[in-house]
Amino acid sequence: DAGITQSPRHKVTETGTPVTLRCHQTENHRYMYWYRQDPGHGLRLIHYSYGVKDTDKGEVSDGYSVSRSKTEDFLLTLESATSSQTSVYFCAISEAGRSSTDTQYFGPGTRLTVL
Amino acid sequence: GESVGLHLPTLSVQEGDNSIINCAYSNSASDYFIWYKQESGKGPQFIIDIRSNMDKRQGQRVTVLLNKTVKHLSLQIAATQPGDSAVYFCAENAGGTSYGKLTFGQGTILTVHP
Repeated sequence: DAGITQSPRHKVTETGTPVTLRCHQTENHRYMYWYRQDPGHGLRLIHYSYGVKDTDKGEVSDGYSVSRSKTEDFLLTLESATSSQTSVYFCAISEAGRSSTDTQYFGPGTRLTVL
Repeated sequence: GESVGLHLPTLSVQEGDNSIINCAYSNSASDYFIWYKQESGKGPQFIIDIRSNMDKRQGQRVTVLLNKTVKHLSLQIAATQPGDSAVYFCAENAGGTSYGKLTFGQGTILTVHP
């Protein structure tokens, strides 16, 4: 998984509780991404980061926030989890990002269930 | 090929056969394409990529073909093995953004029978 770890790997939580997912990389890549994967929707980008403290929204960012205080860590926070956020979350990294030929490599995923 | 919806296309082959997985991409401005393999419970794994200035690229047991005229991408797997069983999906990058924006297909389920 290209030096990418995600924690926790599985989590069950209740509606209304805050949840934070962590992505850690050892590749020193500049760009990091959070995706969610759902049946019928494929992979959809939530937020991405193009450097320390530099983040921006993806296509499904409502209800999520992110932070990146170090190159190697990218956190995804659900401020108040809802059942619609039950999904599998993947972190990805890429070296350059801006280049249209830059490959993204994915972590192992976190399965989140919101009851 | 790729499709939108809950039911992914499926391809069943016998071990040792060659497999061809298809993908119709949407954006004629896309200039970079990637094939990923995703096994159950794991993250997508990079297989092979191709730039739009190429028609064909070969890797180990895999070949990607690009037909820009009809916006079609295919992945050929030679001598398919049971370990190749997974969901395969293509991704396209049209550039024009400040990040490596990838648009992903829904995927094709490949099942290899021993």
